[in-house]
Amino acid sequence: EVHLVESGGGLAQPGGSLRLSCVASGFTFSRYSMNWVRQAPGKGLEWVSHITHTTATIYYTDSVKGRFTISRDNAKNSLYLQMNSLRAEDTAVYYCARDGQGGYNMDVWGKGTTVTVSS
Amino acid sequence: DIVVTQSPDSLAVSLGERATINCKSSQSAFDSSDKKNNLAWYQQKPGQPPKLLIYWASTRQSGVPDRFSGSGSGTDFTLTISSLQAEDVAVYYCQQFYSSPPSITFGQGTRLEIK
Repeated sequence: EVHLVESGGGLAQPGGSLRLSCVASGFTFSRYSMNWVRQAPGKGLEWVSHITHTTATIYYTDSVKGRFTISRDNAKNSLYLQMNSLRAEDTAVYYCARDGQGGYNMDVWGKGTTVTVSS
Repeated sequence: DIVVTQSPDSLAVSLGERATINCKSSQSAFDSSDKKNNLAWYQQKPGQPPKLLIYWASTRQSGVPDRFSGSGSGTDFTLTISSLQAEDVAVYYCQQFYSSPPSITFGQGTRLEIK
């Protein structure tokens, strides 16, 4: 069965850092592009970042450019999100999601990990 | 910036009746290189991650009941649930990919309830 499991969330102070991880199982991770999507409490979905299967192409939403870095280790079936200079508005559930057929839609999602930025 | 707007924000429909949700984008979702619309629809129930229902504007994801259908092209799209079931109560999101500059944008969501 296909699974994505996120970890690494928690409480961080404004200006602090966190590193999120997502471990994939049940499919050939190295063949798929991946995404991070977040959802602030009681709010809608916001795409954060996308990385192709070879890491050749990486995209970010404007609000995280220069602060967040997406990466992956295909040998470890793992996706990462390094989050620096955290702000209160980064508080959200962060989901790892696999690119679906045709690309740029998301057919498999993890359950999410919660990031809270507060002093 | 791409703006994707759903309407209505909330919707109440009787069991067995049709539900229609609209999605309008400020930029075309049509990709001329492969003649596909990069527009997807998701369902999210409370406490759960989103579930992909439709991609390429009208292709149903495997395992999704055929009462769910998508239509539209360019900047205007529609998700239709032909006969509402109790388990369809959820928030529905459309999502577009635009290539120049590359970005993925979700609509604000539509809350669907039983009347």
